[in-house]
Amino acid sequence: RKEVEQDPGPFNVPEGATVAFNCTYSNSASQSFFWYRQDCRKEPKLLMSVYSSGNEDGRFTAQLNRASQYISLLIRDSKLSDSATYLCVVNRGGGGADGLTFGKGTHLIIQP
Amino acid sequence: DGGITQSPKYLFRKEGQNVTLSCEQNLNHDAMYWYRQDPGQGLRLIYYSQIVNDFQKGDIAEGYSVSREKKESFPLTVTSAQKNPTAFYLCASSATGTGVSSDYGYTFGSGTRLTVV
Repeated sequence: RKEVEQDPGPFNVPEGATVAFNCTYSNSASQSFFWYRQDCRKEPKLLMSVYSSGNEDGRFTAQLNRASQYISLLIRDSKLSDSATYLCVVNRGGGGADGLTFGKGTHLIIQP
Repeated sequence: DGGITQSPKYLFRKEGQNVTLSCEQNLNHDAMYWYRQDPGQGLRLIYYSQIVNDFQKGDIAEGYSVSREKKESFPLTVTSAQKNPTAFYLCASSATGTGVSSDYGYTFGSGTRLTVV
């Protein structure tokens, strides 16, 4: 099983729609979870951390299911500017300083 | 403004040459990292450093070397032993601490695109 697995997409979604995607992770010792956004040929940028109780930031909602080892991201009222690759990221366990493991990303295309 | 700076943005290397990629941060972060990204692939960890004068190999350290003589700086050297160096290289930094590190997101530099010609 890959350490962090995501559906690569692309997901083509009309503007204004709600879209959700998941990722699964294999390391049960992981304690930190994030969603990053990466635009074409740019560096990844932190979108949001993912907390056990679930968290929301504007149109974005992240959830964590430790028992099933998956993380989800929900985007409501999608905008054209949401088009990007979304990376699911988990730490390797044992604290945050020993490197993060990145999924290959899910490519999202919002269409007018 | 605090941030992390990578240079150069584009780098062309002849086969057999060593090249050094610069990474500087003024965020006062203890930990720094080097990742490599290939097209359609996820980021892979090359080296990381949690404190000055100390660093550890990541998953794909062969053919690379690093140093951490200053907290602000973590240069990466791509040596001639790296057989396929053409890639997008990303440097990142993070604060460190104790307990649950849920908030320790990484800040990335804008990357260096290395091409072997």
